[in-house]
Amino acid sequence: GESVGLHLPTLSVQEGDNSIINCAYSNSASDYFIWYKQESGKGPQFIIDIRSNMDKRQGQRVTVLLNKTVKHLSLQIAATQPGDSAVYFCAENRPRFGNEKLTFGTGTRLTIIP
Amino acid sequence: DVKVTQSSRYLVKRTGEKVFLECVQDMDHENMFWYRQDPGLGLRLIYFSYDVKMKEKGDIPEGYSVSREKKERFSLILESASTNQTSMYLCASRLTVNTEAFFGQGTRLTVV
Repeated sequence: GESVGLHLPTLSVQEGDNSIINCAYSNSASDYFIWYKQESGKGPQFIIDIRSNMDKRQGQRVTVLLNKTVKHLSLQIAATQPGDSAVYFCAENRPRFGNEKLTFGTGTRLTIIP
Repeated sequence: DVKVTQSSRYLVKRTGEKVFLECVQDMDHENMFWYRQDPGLGLRLIYFSYDVKMKEKGDIPEGYSVSREKKERFSLILESASTNQTSMYLCASRLTVNTEAFFGQGTRLTVV
């Protein structure tokens, strides 16, 4: 989920289980959403994206769900592996006078327990 | 593969110095972004550029300026560095709107 402050939301999941990371976005005009994964010492890396005309999109072991009614986005990771441990960010594309900015949430730290 | 390169991984500057952070992308992307990342606050947008010589303020532009004279290069300028600008700075680029953004490795700036 989203939070403001010094403490990152955390999620601990047993290896092999599925995980769900949630994100609330703020702008009902946002039309494109992305999930990123950030490992320690690296820049964020693209995982999966979804446009506002869709409510679900699947990739390899990942699924993104979009609920525009409540402005909620989720990332599901199937059969988690130790390499999935990272901080996950959702990002929304916000139209702004024709120039569109990409805004990120505060992130969720996912820890996979062996 | 798209490559976004930030000129420094680590930088230490003194209060009051003018600081330049450079970012170069090699894929002819239209849009470029500068973010800062602080613990628990996620990535906050400082400035973005949608074309050469065009720029827009992000959510936290105070104390920063940017320059985009060439399409591949987007510079972040701290006019007079202050200790509260100590942070991780991330540059990103994307081809156009509604496409994924690619990030550089980040520059960890410490202002003393």
